[in-house]
Amino acid sequence: NAGVTQTPKFQVLKTGQSMTLQCAQDMNHEYMSWYRQDPGMGLRLIHYSVGAGITDQGEVPNGYNVSRSTTEDFPLRLLSAAPSQTSVYFCASSYGAPGNTIYFGEGSWLTVV
Amino acid sequence: KNQVEQSPQSLIILEGKNCTLQCNYTVSPFSNLRWYKQDTGRGPVSLTIMTFSENTKSNGRYTATLDADTKQSSLHITASQLSDSASYICVVGWRKASYDKVIFGPGTSLSVIP
Repeated sequence: NAGVTQTPKFQVLKTGQSMTLQCAQDMNHEYMSWYRQDPGMGLRLIHYSVGAGITDQGEVPNGYNVSRSTTEDFPLRLLSAAPSQTSVYFCASSYGAPGNTIYFGEGSWLTVV
Repeated sequence: KNQVEQSPQSLIILEGKNCTLQCNYTVSPFSNLRWYKQDTGRGPVSLTIMTFSENTKSNGRYTATLDADTKQSSLHITASQLSDSASYICVVGWRKASYDKVIFGPGTSLSVIP
């Protein structure tokens, strides 16, 4: 049972480059989300989706795009990477709204130089 | 403004000892409170989840308490083990429109030493 799978685990980008963080879940969860985790701060919500074809902005959406074409996949796109986007990114999913248990991926470490 | 605060920021204890981590929140309308454990380099993993009507919940050596009146929660770890070394995150759920939303605390970093 894979749960929530994120790739890549580590990535170094140059300022201005674009990239996509991949996320897939095999639990048939409706709700998926992306968070970033920075030192000394709680996880902050970037974007979320309540089902295929439906996405919405979270707390810190600027500089990121998402799409949800299938229930399983929820990729996060960095449009033009900036050093401020250096962070650890976590994809998560839950059955229904996040009132239920949230399952997290293993994280993606991104450094923008 | 909805906020979640945790204390202490970090804690070092000897193996076998007990400890208690604190979480204070100003979240409304309150829906639920969870504790997560995050090992270094890994994603957070759920330990407990409590709703408004629950004031205690256990998961093995972990016991969470909730006082919804004072908006405080604690996570008590009994007979600590080296594997308990991790960050413990308090997560508070609140309801907006038809969906629950969550806000994460900054975490308490626990180190258990031999």
